[in-house]
Amino acid sequence: QTVVTQEPSLTVSPGGTVTLTCASSTGAVTSGYYPNWFQQKPGQAPRALIYSTSNKHSWTPARFSGSLLGGKAVLTLSGVQPEDEADYYCLLYYGGAQGVFGGGTKLTVL
Amino acid sequence: EVQLVQSGAEVKKPGESLMISCKGSGYSFTTYWIGWVRQMPGKGLEWMGIIYPDDSDTRYSPSFQGQVTISADKSISTAYLQWSSLKASDTAIYYCARHGHTAYEVDYWGQGTLVTVSS
Repeated sequence: QTVVTQEPSLTVSPGGTVTLTCASSTGAVTSGYYPNWFQQKPGQAPRALIYSTSNKHSWTPARFSGSLLGGKAVLTLSGVQPEDEADYYCLLYYGGAQGVFGGGTKLTVL
Repeated sequence: EVQLVQSGAEVKKPGESLMISCKGSGYSFTTYWIGWVRQMPGKGLEWMGIIYPDDSDTRYSPSFQGQVTISADKSISTAYLQWSSLKASDTAIYYCARHGHTAYEVDYWGQGTLVTVSS
């Protein structure tokens, strides 16, 4: 069974920069896994941030960016705001358009 | 404006059947994949499967294959998630999400449907 791994929790100071990673048990993550990233705040539905590794939706704040680094998908938040405190999930796609979510990263802004 | 509006919360007993819905509007429903995501209480997101409403091509996660049925009625722009026999472990919030033309991107989400299964 394919497992997608994220950091369980991270803490960042307001105005700082933080990097969240997304790894696959099958090996290096490439653009062919079409990494997506989502933000979820308590009691709310998830919100899409990034698709196909680095593409932003029209509503995605400029401080969010996606990339590949060291065999992982990466979500970088630059100039973190207090409202960025949330859970973040990555989604990778495997053969036959099968999606698998990572376990999520709880981001604390402190 | 793209919207996905899901049906309301449900309380069911183990063994009962259930169908929840997700109605799309503001876009061409038939030409975007639409999928379902489970979130058990206090847990993360789980990808269940997707359907292409135009031809009902459906892909399931191995974890959910045979446990649920995903369907769509393109005439009323609505996708469905169905159980034939609920278990207490099906208690969760279920979200529908639009998956884009190529199935590899997710953009809009429904508000979620809470399903509670309890005797």
